[in-house]
Amino acid sequence: KAGVTQTPRYLIKTRGQQVTLSCSPISGHRSVSWYQQTPGQGLQFLFEYFSETQRNKGNFPGRFSGRQFSNSRSEMNVSTLELGDSALYLCASSGAGGLETQYFGPGTRLLVL
Amino acid sequence: AQSVTQLGSHVSVSEGALVLLRCNYSSSVPPYLFWYVQYPNQGLQLLLKYTSAATLVKGINGFEAEFKKSETSFHLTKPSAHMSDAAEYFCAVSNTGGFKTIFGAGTRLFVKA
Repeated sequence: KAGVTQTPRYLIKTRGQQVTLSCSPISGHRSVSWYQQTPGQGLQFLFEYFSETQRNKGNFPGRFSGRQFSNSRSEMNVSTLELGDSALYLCASSGAGGLETQYFGPGTRLLVL
Repeated sequence: AQSVTQLGSHVSVSEGALVLLRCNYSSSVPPYLFWYVQYPNQGLQLLLKYTSAATLVKGINGFEAEFKKSETSFHLTKPSAHMSDAAEYFCAVSNTGGFKTIFGAGTRLFVKA
């Protein structure tokens, strides 16, 4: 079974631009969560989608948004990029969410200049 | 509010020595606790999880952790370290309500030959 895939793996943007990251969960998984990982703040929960609905949300500004499609693939969008948005963005999928095991993708490393 | 504290951002052990990575949690409801490992340039992999069954939880790669409610701890141990155990380890807590997982800051494990 293929694992969680994230595209692109690396991305360089400039301040003020917007970016869209993509996550394809393991086949059959319906829950997708997004995390931001930085050296200073560690791993922080962004949001979780289940069956195309946002079910949980972390404490991030409205510039961070996401969506999930009917095939469970998810995208995350960050508008008006700031230098502090430079991070590794991780996506994780599980069958139904809750306490099921999350399987993480390799992440997208975003650098904002 | 839930939180996780990992004691020691870096731990160094010799190959064959005991590995002990410390984690203390704060939760107003019975917690669900996890340990994840992250190798360089990879996503996170679940080592083990506690979901209110046995207090001693065995995971992959010879790791185990013991839930101690009185000490609000969930320390990770391995009797004998391998060079391949060198990685960053994250303790995490969640609750029964959903999938908002809170991660600790991480502990980087170094294994000396």
